[in-house]
Amino acid sequence: DSGVTQTPKHLITATGQRVTLRCSPRSGDLSVYWYQQSLDQGLQFLIQYYNGEERAKGNILERFSAQQFPDLHSELNLSSLELGDSALYFCASSQGRLGEQFFGPGTRLTVL
Amino acid sequence: AQSVSQHNHHVILSEAASLELGCNYSYGGTVNLFWYVQYPGQHLQLLLKYFSGDPLVKGIKGFEAEFIKSKFSFNLRKPSVQWSDTAEYFCAVNRGGNTPLVFGKGTRLSVIA
Repeated sequence: DSGVTQTPKHLITATGQRVTLRCSPRSGDLSVYWYQQSLDQGLQFLIQYYNGEERAKGNILERFSAQQFPDLHSELNLSSLELGDSALYFCASSQGRLGEQFFGPGTRLTVL
Repeated sequence: AQSVSQHNHHVILSEAASLELGCNYSYGGTVNLFWYVQYPGQHLQLLLKYFSGDPLVKGIKGFEAEFIKSKFSFNLRKPSVQWSDTAEYFCAVNRGGNTPLVFGKGTRLSVIA
């Protein structure tokens, strides 16, 4: 158990819908990262928040957005879903300068 | 932009065989290097990491990796694999501190009895 929690574990929805994925980082970790894992693209970085502020952006679509709340939990919002958005979405957190990241169990999103 | 190459897509080994998985990265500056493992149906777990110092790092479950700066490589090794090592292995790099990880495509390891 990494100490990072994600909900829900599985999500099945239809094209065009909107979903919200939730992540709670390890206690004391200020940074939260979101990654997408798919068969064709592998593991790709989406977005990072540090203590409530957006810190870095990767290959995140405009239909996707995220935020980090004062209690440091983060939410990833995916809208106008397409079949190709089906993937595993991982959240990770880290604490300090060494950059070691701890991953949550992931949310498996299936878009039908 | 940083990139990470893992040369082997799928490796099949018999139990007790030795393992070496290749990883090369492209970035000229200071980097942190990681190997993560993903067992079937599970999340990513950190096997080992290199930040600085001794280029030979030891991780959990008998794994080790060697950082060769001149070759931009960080290969993962294990002298004798077990069936329970069947998993996907990811090499990753970041620029230190609170920066995102760049992952390789992963190597699927299948260990057969």
